[in-house]
Amino acid sequence: DQQVKQNSPSLSVQEGRISILNCDYTNSMFDYFLWYKKYPAEGPTFLISISSIKDKNEDGRFTVFLNKSAKHLSLHIVPSQPGDSAVYFCAASRVSQGGSEKLVFGKGTKLTVNP
Amino acid sequence: DTGVSQNPRHKITKRGQNVTFRCDPISEHNRLYWYRQTLGQGPEFLTYFQNEAQLEKSRLLSDRFSAERPKGSFSTLEIQRTEQGDSAMYLCASSLEVWSRSGANVLTFGAGSRLTVL
Repeated sequence: DQQVKQNSPSLSVQEGRISILNCDYTNSMFDYFLWYKKYPAEGPTFLISISSIKDKNEDGRFTVFLNKSAKHLSLHIVPSQPGDSAVYFCAASRVSQGGSEKLVFGKGTKLTVNP
Repeated sequence: DTGVSQNPRHKITKRGQNVTFRCDPISEHNRLYWYRQTLGQGPEFLTYFQNEAQLEKSRLLSDRFSAERPKGSFSTLEIQRTEQGDSAMYLCASSLEVWSRSGANVLTFGAGSRLTVL
């Protein structure tokens, strides 16, 4: 069962415009969400995260929004740059008494930013 | 510290052979994870360690797979009697687990070890 879903396998945007990547989750126990970026032949690298106690987190050009009632989060990149072209993975986790549990990943969305 | 190191980067083997991958995590990190990624999929959890204790194993981890983390430092993932379905990228990640209600368990990934089973 796919607990974290990224329904768009790919997205293409023009340089300077906004990129919006979406992610849905089914497990209401998840309370921490992360976005990772992956270039070919490299491991995923952490981009930005958000706790369930917040609905927005910003870091420079990257903003993540969380809608808990809809079990939906999105990553906004503005302005988009050609160097942002990569595969973006959404991941979710929950914090229990024993600490943070494993990350569950979506299938990824390949973002292409055209010059 | 140069991050999470994985070796070998690429392994080609014949069906039925055994293979072993090694992961050297970031030195101060107490958690170490193994994930597997196949084409078009996201990383799938296999197992993780906190220090030397293996805390969880996925049902994806069949009896042919074994992971160890002696002394809580580097880890090895061994696959016995490899099958073509084992062909994948095996990713190792490490993190410093600090329990906090608003904290993050941010994993730092290595570049992966790609396995091709012929």
